[in-house]
Amino acid sequence: TQLLEQSPQFLSIQEGENLTVYCNSSSVFSSLQWYRQEPGEGPVLLVTVVTGGEVKKLKRLTFQFGDARKDSSLHITAAQPGDTGLYLCAGASNRKLIWGLGTSLAVNP
Amino acid sequence: DAGITQSPRHKVTETGTPVTLRCHQTENHRYMYWYRQDPGHGLRLIHYSYGVKDTDKGEVSDGYSVSRSKTEDFLLTLESATSSQTSVYFCAISEEEDTQYFGPGTRLTVL
Repeated sequence: TQLLEQSPQFLSIQEGENLTVYCNSSSVFSSLQWYRQEPGEGPVLLVTVVTGGEVKKLKRLTFQFGDARKDSSLHITAAQPGDTGLYLCAGASNRKLIWGLGTSLAVNP
Repeated sequence: DAGITQSPRHKVTETGTPVTLRCHQTENHRYMYWYRQDPGHGLRLIHYSYGVKDTDKGEVSDGYSVSRSKTEDFLLTLESATSSQTSVYFCAISEEEDTQYFGPGTRLTVL
């Protein structure tokens, strides 16, 4: 069974701090996606990474795909209250996505 | 935003009654998915479709059936709802076999 483990599960920080969340697996994925979900809404795609070692930046968010395409990280610089939400990673395999349980981030003003 | 709608958005029903949830897309994407999301379990795939009349089971398909007679519509049916099916249900669409776009969700309560 393929699994994606996300850590930490919960994170509460002050506005302006930096943070990193991790997504790890023993399986290789053809691509990996990061999503953000706010309460009462569906997940919204942030980024897709495809190549091992790939780094993508989205404003203050930096995403990295591991060299072996088994893991990924999301780094947020100078977090803001608007970054609050559930961050989900998902690995693509055999026409489906394998989902992590998510990291619940709270950024306090 | 991808054009995905789900109906109804909220539903309360009683144990043993049939329930059908509808997902409608205007993007003409090939793949459509039904998930349920529960605390502690995350997103779990119920069924998915890779074309009209082509569907397959996900990891939690027991008690659920689906149909896709048109590209734009994917229906999820609970033949006889149980309390364990109380959940938030999300539909997603995809053109490639990875990146998925989600609908707003349906909150279902089975009493």
